[in-house]
Amino acid sequence: GAVVSQHPSWVICKSGTSVKIECRSLDFQATTMFWYRQFPKQSLMLMATSNEGSKATYEQGVEKDKFLINHASLTLSTLTVTSAHPEDSSFYICSAVWGYSNQPQHFGDGTRLSIL
Amino acid sequence: GQQVMQIPQYQHVQEGEDFTTYCNSSTTLSNIQWYKQRPGGHPVFLIQLVKSGEVKKQKRLTFQFGEAKKNSSLHITATQTTDVGTYFCAGSNPTGAGSYQLTFGKGTKLSVIP
Repeated sequence: GAVVSQHPSWVICKSGTSVKIECRSLDFQATTMFWYRQFPKQSLMLMATSNEGSKATYEQGVEKDKFLINHASLTLSTLTVTSAHPEDSSFYICSAVWGYSNQPQHFGDGTRLSIL
Repeated sequence: GQQVMQIPQYQHVQEGEDFTTYCNSSTTLSNIQWYKQRPGGHPVFLIQLVKSGEVKKQKRLTFQFGEAKKNSSLHITATQTTDVGTYFCAGSNPTGAGSYQLTFGKGTKLSVIP
């Protein structure tokens, strides 16, 4: 089956640090990748949609200068949380889709980010 | 924007009892997908429903898509401890960019008492 690898799985860092999270599709080419944020015991909130070769589309309320997304290739997307603060602490999870049709999303294992 | 409501938020059942979670969308969907997230894990795709009135079965799981393509349900017969987790429905509609975003419901957390 389709495998998506997300790295790192856990990050603890000081306030003001920038953190980069990688999302890779290992056995398929992901034309679209999605970045979600999940608060404890809550649902997945879509942050942005990333298509290979174009700029990411951010959801309303998500600061694009705060959460930098780069879809460098058909198998790699990165999310950089710039100048992270404690309120950015959360579970970030990516998903990848092959093609542009109604395909299931394949999720990475997620990254738990804790900002001290 | 599109909203997807899911109830109940929590459900505790005795092992062997049935379980149902319901999903309602504020808009007509092109398809609905169901995912399961185990504690500490990531969402795993279960199934996709596309057609109006569609019913699909996976062993003890039965998925339905409403005639108006605005609601859906997941029913588990004779729950087992391995069914524990949070079940999310997610509605899909095409965006202007041609990619299909999912709007997730809040999920139903299922606990099974042995």
